[in-house]
Amino acid sequence: ILNVEQSPQSLHVQEGDSTNFTCSFPSSNFYALHWYRWETAKSPEALFVMTLNGDEKKKGRISATLNTKEGYSYLYIKGSQPEDSATYLCALYPGSSNTGKLIFGQGTTLQVKP
Amino acid sequence: DAGVTQSPTHLIKTRGQQVTLRCSPKSGHDTVSWYQQALGQGPQFIFQYYEEEERQRGNFPDRFSGHQFPNYSSELNVNALWLGDSALYLCASSLAGMEETQYFGPGTRLLVL
Repeated sequence: ILNVEQSPQSLHVQEGDSTNFTCSFPSSNFYALHWYRWETAKSPEALFVMTLNGDEKKKGRISATLNTKEGYSYLYIKGSQPEDSATYLCALYPGSSNTGKLIFGQGTTLQVKP
Repeated sequence: DAGVTQSPTHLIKTRGQQVTLRCSPKSGHDTVSWYQQALGQGPQFIFQYYEEEERQRGNFPDRFSGHQFPNYSSELNVNALWLGDSALYLCASSLAGMEETQYFGPGTRLLVL
């Protein structure tokens, strides 16, 4: 059974702080890794999809890295703003015989205080 | 371009009842997946529909069934509801052959009393 773990479970930071979260997964079963941002009462929004070891993606103040050999991905937020408050989900797409199935971690909930 | 839509947004049922949730995929998408998110957990894959057939299924009992219509919209049916079925049900759509890229709806919140 593939297991995707995220840490921490929740995080409270002050506006302007930089922060990062971790997503861990079995390195042997991997096709793609996704990061989603999920604001309350809205749809999960895709942030990044990464497939290659060493991939780095950036969107504004948010960036992500991927290490498939050791089975982890980091999401960084530089200079957090209140509008960054959301739950951040990572999801593994194993591919192969598991076509279509995303395996999610439990999420990291970020609260940014003004 | 309409994204993924789901209805209803909220629903309250009692134990033993049956429920039907609906999903319309993003324009141009032909594949629909359903996920259940229980409190404090990440979304769990229920099943995926393509060409009106269930193509892949997660670890959910037969009480959970679905359907896909010729216009690619989909329904999730749950029979004999348990209290433990209370959750947020998310629908995601994708294109066949690009299932790793899924677009999500806002979900239906189901409460079973």
